[in-house]
Amino acid sequence: GAGVSQSPSNKVTEKGKDVELRCDPISGHTALYWYRQRLGQGLEFLIYFQGNSAPDKSGLPSDRFSAERTGESVSTLTIQRTQQEDSAVYLCASSLAASGERVEQFFGPGTRLTVL
Amino acid sequence: AQSVAQPEDQVNVAEGNPLTVKCTYSVSGNPYLFWYVQYPNRGLQFLLKYITGDNLVKGSYGFEAEFNKSQTSFHLKKPSALVSDSALYFCAVRERGSARQLTFGSGTQLTVLP
Repeated sequence: GAGVSQSPSNKVTEKGKDVELRCDPISGHTALYWYRQRLGQGLEFLIYFQGNSAPDKSGLPSDRFSAERTGESVSTLTIQRTQQEDSAVYLCASSLAASGERVEQFFGPGTRLTVL
Repeated sequence: AQSVAQPEDQVNVAEGNPLTVKCTYSVSGNPYLFWYVQYPNRGLQFLLKYITGDNLVKGSYGFEAEFNKSQTSFHLKKPSALVSDSALYFCAVRERGSARQLTFGSGTQLTVLP
């Protein structure tokens, strides 16, 4: 079946502009995650959605970052008033479950954001 | 808090030789442990996981990893390396409690020399 998809694959924007990044998880996966990967570094957790529960926003670096998810489908990550330090690859992942045996996360190809 | 350490930024091994990529972790309680691989300009691919049970877990492409609770380690291994195994490898950990997100190590660049 189809994997996690993300769009756009690349986004170049000017400092101060807003951007929206989209994630389509694997069908049937209840949990959805956003991570950020800066050049040459590991992944940083941003936000987690599970069904209709309140999202875990503990990883969002500032109030310029927000995310929404419609039910158990598409999610959008929004960055307002972008700064150069926001430049990174933004990765979305989904998992079948958040506990038990099927907790492995499957990642999309990422959106490479460049803020000029 | 949960954390992961990958002590080696770079591992070089000759093709056909066994390879080991090291990972140690810190969590409260029992962990979920994972290995992912990242090829250039591609997303992260899931390799294997430890959830419970047998300490030796087998995954994709002939890779395996051994969970060692006393040493809090989860080293990735393969008996015979291939040039095509050259990639960036990430170890990740998650607590079994309320935290759902993965905490990743900084990654280890594996280069298999022909």
